[in-house]
Amino acid sequence: AQSVSQHNHHVILSEAASLELGCNYSYGGTVNLFWYVQYPGQHLQLLLKYFSGDPLVKGIKGFEAEFIKSKFSFNLRKPSVQWSDTAEYFCAVLMDTGRRALTFGSGTRLQVQP
Amino acid sequence: EAQVTQNPRYLITVTGKKLTVTCSQNMNHEYMSWYRQDPGLGLRQIYYSMNVEVTDKGDVPEGYKVSRKEKRNFPLILESPSPNQTSLYFCASKINRVATEAFFGQGTRLTVV
Repeated sequence: AQSVSQHNHHVILSEAASLELGCNYSYGGTVNLFWYVQYPGQHLQLLLKYFSGDPLVKGIKGFEAEFIKSKFSFNLRKPSVQWSDTAEYFCAVLMDTGRRALTFGSGTRLQVQP
Repeated sequence: EAQVTQNPRYLITVTGKKLTVTCSQNMNHEYMSWYRQDPGLGLRQIYYSMNVEVTDKGDVPEGYKVSRKEKRNFPLILESPSPNQTSLYFCASKINRVATEAFFGQGTRLTVV
């Protein structure tokens, strides 16, 4: 079955540290890739997305992600995190299967300490 | 403003008491779906609907029902809630089945005691 794996469940960083969150998926067909952020008590917001073209995509709030097709990965990065980045981050994959539903990873809780 | 609206935002109920969580979108989207979010499991799709009167099971449909009588509304029905349905629920919509970007509601935190 298709799946999405986020290996970091809880990450604690100090402000100004660099961030990289891993995301791997298992599906051999065409995919669209997303990172969503969920701030405490809020709904999911789209950070960035990859459809095609340049595998390095830039999103809002200084985040970027790189699609490496050979590794089935779509890791999220930010050079310097801020306290306001404290949130839960979800990787999601849209596969070209029948119901075209987003498949989500289990999420990574990021805690940034001032 | 384009949005997906869920009600209620918070609900505490007792086992076996039927409840409905409403979802409405104002974007004329064809495709709507329900997810539940549980710690360590991410979001899992419960049911989806490709259009009016067209609904189908997602990954975790047991214990839930849905209906799609109008394009804008997609209520989630729990006929006999149980404690294992305590979760955070999200409704989402997108233009159609092949569209790539989904819009999410604010979430409904349900507790079944």
